[in-house]
Amino acid sequence: DTEVTQTPKHLVMGMTNKKSLKCEQHMGHRAMYWYKQKAKKPPELMFVYSYEKLSINESVPSRFSPECPNSSLLNLHLHALQPEDSALYLCASSQERHPNTEAFFGQGTRLTVV
Amino acid sequence: QKEVEQNSGPLSVPEGAIASLNCTYSDRGSQSFFWYRQYSGKSPELIMFIYSNGDKEDGRFTAQLNKASQYVSLLIRDSQPSDSATYLCAVFMDSNYQLIWGAGTKLIIKP
Repeated sequence: DTEVTQTPKHLVMGMTNKKSLKCEQHMGHRAMYWYKQKAKKPPELMFVYSYEKLSINESVPSRFSPECPNSSLLNLHLHALQPEDSALYLCASSQERHPNTEAFFGQGTRLTVV
Repeated sequence: QKEVEQNSGPLSVPEGAIASLNCTYSDRGSQSFFWYRQYSGKSPELIMFIYSNGDKEDGRFTAQLNKASQYVSLLIRDSQPSDSATYLCAVFMDSNYQLIWGAGTKLIIKP
């Protein structure tokens, strides 16, 4: 099983809503990531969870908050988002948070904030 | 200077020809280099990774790494229309222990 599963695939939410994106992997990987990708741009790292430690990209606003219930799940909670937060949100995992391990991506959640 | 640079393209190549994609990086101490393929609206998919100087071949794909000149390239032989996608170069930077992405090169294979 080399899959990273993300749900939902599509999400439309209002600026006052609270929603969550879910990400799950069963590969025994020890590092999981959330990325944001705008059209025609590369992925931007938002959060890394590795060995029970969360690393945050300081440019990510607090309306995004990650949660790691266990080593195979990394959720992303969304609250009071802005239209400019509309993007493809990608979850990835890698065996280690180490330079010589490749990351596998889920299929992404296409988020639209209205 | 951007940390990882790629020509945005589009790069147009006839079907059956060799497509050559290039990437340069700024951190001389970088150890790991990855090529991802991304179809429009889809997530990135790992194509190749390379850690050592020289060439690494996998089917129709060859990754080439030259650490002295700080570039990594991806060659696609016998290009097919299904190879049309954006190719993202990613470099693991030892300086901040992060994977840094290039902006991607859009490749178009013309039948």
